[in-house]
Amino acid sequence: NAGVTQTPKFQVLKTGQSMTLQCAQDMNHNSMYWYRQDPGMGLRLIYYSASEGTTDKGEVPNGYNVSRLNKREFSLRLESAAPSQTSVYFCASSLDRSTTGELFFGEGSRLTVL
Amino acid sequence: QQQVKQSPQSLIVQKGGISIINCAYENTAFDYFPWYQQFPGKGPALLIAIRPDVSEKKEGRFTISFNKSAKQFSLHIMDSQPGDSATYFCAAGGMDSSYKLIFGSGTRLLVRP
Repeated sequence: NAGVTQTPKFQVLKTGQSMTLQCAQDMNHNSMYWYRQDPGMGLRLIYYSASEGTTDKGEVPNGYNVSRLNKREFSLRLESAAPSQTSVYFCASSLDRSTTGELFFGEGSRLTVL
Repeated sequence: QQQVKQSPQSLIVQKGGISIINCAYENTAFDYFPWYQQFPGKGPALLIAIRPDVSEKKEGRFTISFNKSAKQFSLHIMDSQPGDSATYFCAAGGMDSSYKLIFGSGTRLLVRP
């Protein structure tokens, strides 16, 4: 049982390049989330999907787009990467919106933008 | 009103000692307060959680104390072990925030042997 799987684990981009972070969960969860983690700032929500077919902005959505491809997969896209987007990105899932607190996280994707 | 303030930023404790991490929140509509534990190179994992209808919850060596009137909650790790060395995040959420969790800034705990 893999839980939440993120790819890639590491990526280096140049300013202006684009890329997509992939996330898949095998727990039949309805809700999925993308967070970024920066030193001293905790985890900040970028976007979330309460259920298949819906997406909503979180605290820091600027510069990102998401796609809930199906119930299992939720991708995060950077259209034109900036150095300020250097961070560790975590995908998470929960059974449903009412139990958001019980998040299951992937192992993270470390992104460096030069 | 959505902030969760966590302290200290880092903490060093001797093996067998008590580790205490504090959090304060502003939104009185929050009704779910979890703590997450994160080891280096891994994602955070739920450690323990509390709802405001109780003042304390204990699971093994980990205890959450909750003070609703002060809008504060804390994590106590009794008999701290080197294996407890990790980063700990408090969080808060509830219907008012559409159940989206607001995380504290994290506490890096080091337990010395």
